[in-house]
Amino acid sequence: GENVEQHPSTLSVQEGDSAVIKCTYSDSASNYFPWYKQELGKRPQLIIDIRSNVGEKKDQRIAVTLNKTAKHFSLHITETQPEDSAVYFCAASTGAAGNKLTFGGGTRVLVKP
Amino acid sequence: SAVISQKPSRDICQRGTSLTIQCQVDSQVTMMFWYRQQPGQSLTLIATANQGSEATYESGFVIDKFPISRPNLTFSTLTVSNMSPEDSSIYLCSVTDYNEQFFGPGTRLTVL
Repeated sequence: GENVEQHPSTLSVQEGDSAVIKCTYSDSASNYFPWYKQELGKRPQLIIDIRSNVGEKKDQRIAVTLNKTAKHFSLHITETQPEDSAVYFCAASTGAAGNKLTFGGGTRVLVKP
Repeated sequence: SAVISQKPSRDICQRGTSLTIQCQVDSQVTMMFWYRQQPGQSLTLIATANQGSEATYESGFVIDKFPISRPNLTFSTLTVSNMSPEDSSIYLCSVTDYNEQFFGPGTRLTVL
């Protein structure tokens, strides 16, 4: 089955700096790659996603890039703010079985003011 | 996006007992999923709940331990049976809506 690796497990950045989280996946059939943000005690919230027919997608301060050949994708957060502090999860899906997701291990991001 | 609710939001249970978690969606959805999130860990899919057929379980999860019902297109239940402290986790249901997956608020289960 699919295996998703996520790095780093923790990331500490200064407010205003950029944060980058990287994920690799194993199943070349995967074609949907969402990113979730989970604040303490809350449910995971979808923040951005990308499909395999697109190489990059941007939404304000957040961008995701996908390299299908290398089977990796990354989340970029620019101009980080304290409210960006949370755990971020990447995931992958083949689109089969109604978008069953396989999650990476998560990255705890701390933005220091 | 779909609005998802879960009951209970949290519970403390004794080992050996069972707990049934309910998931309600405000619109009809084909697929509902049940995930487990152990303390400080990532999300692991337990099973996919299909309306009108048996749930599909992931490796390491079995129907006897986690029976699932899906009586209609807006509702599902997950039962955690014969609980042990290792079952202490957050259990989340999720649905696919417009090709995106959204999560319920979760049920925080503590087993003593």
